[in-house]
Amino acid sequence: DAGVTQSPTHLIKTRGQHVTLRCSPISGHKSVSWYQQVLGQGPQFIFQYYEKEERGRGNFPDRFSARQFPNYSSELNVNALLLGDSALYLCASSWRADNEQFFGPGTRLTVL
Amino acid sequence: GESVGLHLPTLSVQEGDNSIINCAYSNSASDYFIWYKQESGKGPQFIIDIRSNMDKRQGQRVTVLLNKTVKHLSLQIAATQPGDSAVYFCAETYFGNEKLTFGTGTRLTIIP
Repeated sequence: DAGVTQSPTHLIKTRGQHVTLRCSPISGHKSVSWYQQVLGQGPQFIFQYYEKEERGRGNFPDRFSARQFPNYSSELNVNALLLGDSALYLCASSWRADNEQFFGPGTRLTVL
Repeated sequence: GESVGLHLPTLSVQEGDNSIINCAYSNSASDYFIWYKQESGKGPQFIIDIRSNMDKRQGQRVTVLLNKTVKHLSLQIAATQPGDSAVYFCAETYFGNEKLTFGTGTRLTIIP
């Protein structure tokens, strides 16, 4: 069975640009969460979507946005990129919003 | 805000020995705890979880202990193998919450 998939694997952007990261949850999972993991730290919660609605938002600026599609896949958008946005962006899916979360391999974003 | 922390940032263990990774949490409302393993370049991998109505839970070669009195949980790995080398995170949440709160992680190195 396919796990959580994310694309792209790696991405290099420059300051001020915007980026779109994509996530496909495990088949049957209706909830997707996004986390940011800066090198050497644990993942930090950004968003959770369940049944296409935002269920939670972490302490991130409005430059970060996300959405979930009818097939439960999700996109994370980051505008006006800053150097500090360089991180591994992880997507996790779960059957329901409060169930065990399974993580994808992440997208490594580098902002120059 | 409240966070999950770890006592030891690094741990080296001889192959075949048992290892114990500790974690302190501060949110008394947390009732669900998870241990994740993260290998280099990969997303966190679920190892074992425990709910607050339990003190101990065993898996294959792993045991999680929860001490709610002192807000402490630990991960015991029996008969460590080279493949156990990774960064281990504990994470906490509570019923109805949408996010996992991660600690900074412990790097476990297995010495051949």
